[in-house]
Amino acid sequence: EPEVTQTPSHQVTQMGQEVILRCVPISNHLYFYWYRQILGQKVEFLVSFYNNEISEKSEIFDDQFSVERPDGSNFTLKIRSTKLEDSAMYFCASSDSPILDEQFFGPGTRLTVL
Amino acid sequence: DQQVKQNSPSLSVQEGRISILNCDYTNSMFDYFLWYKKYPAEGPTFLISISSIKDKNEDGRFTVFLNKSAKHLSLHIVPSQPGDSAVYFCAARVYSGAGSYQLTFGKGTKLSVIP
Repeated sequence: EPEVTQTPSHQVTQMGQEVILRCVPISNHLYFYWYRQILGQKVEFLVSFYNNEISEKSEIFDDQFSVERPDGSNFTLKIRSTKLEDSAMYFCASSDSPILDEQFFGPGTRLTVL
Repeated sequence: DQQVKQNSPSLSVQEGRISILNCDYTNSMFDYFLWYKKYPAEGPTFLISISSIKDKNEDGRFTVFLNKSAKHLSLHIVPSQPGDSAVYFCAARVYSGAGSYQLTFGKGTKLSVIP
């Protein structure tokens, strides 16, 4: 069964460093998303991406964040200068339609900022 | 700003009994509701959904009920099985314009089914 994969599973970084979280969505999906979950909190929407551009972003997704689909398979989330409060689980998701009736999530990358 | 609330952080149920997970929302613009299940070290997995124009949707052991007037939905699992032990997230969809939608999640309820 096709699945969304994410690498790495755990990333530890120093405050102020740049990190890139990688995702490989399901191959025939066209809509891609990043969410994050701070420990003990709810899953929060960050950004949606379609046709090589951002279609929607939340207020969390500020200038420190960027997304890219550098090739036909990867979908990346970059945080330019990490802050302590960026420590969270980051989930990538993909879907074959924009109506969010069903999304497929990856296993997540746990980001720890020291 | 908790537009979607799951007020019970945890729930324990005996195997074979019914599990009822509750979710309340505040935004009347939500038009679609979803339940996701999450096991440790895995991403959320879609479980069942319901449109705001319906009041019930059933899929095997899982039934979701929607009470729009109360802005409340619930997920019923019957009979509960040990493999159902997971965190369950309620999510609500809103149309955000230009063909885009957003999901708002609750904090989740951890269900433990005791053999």
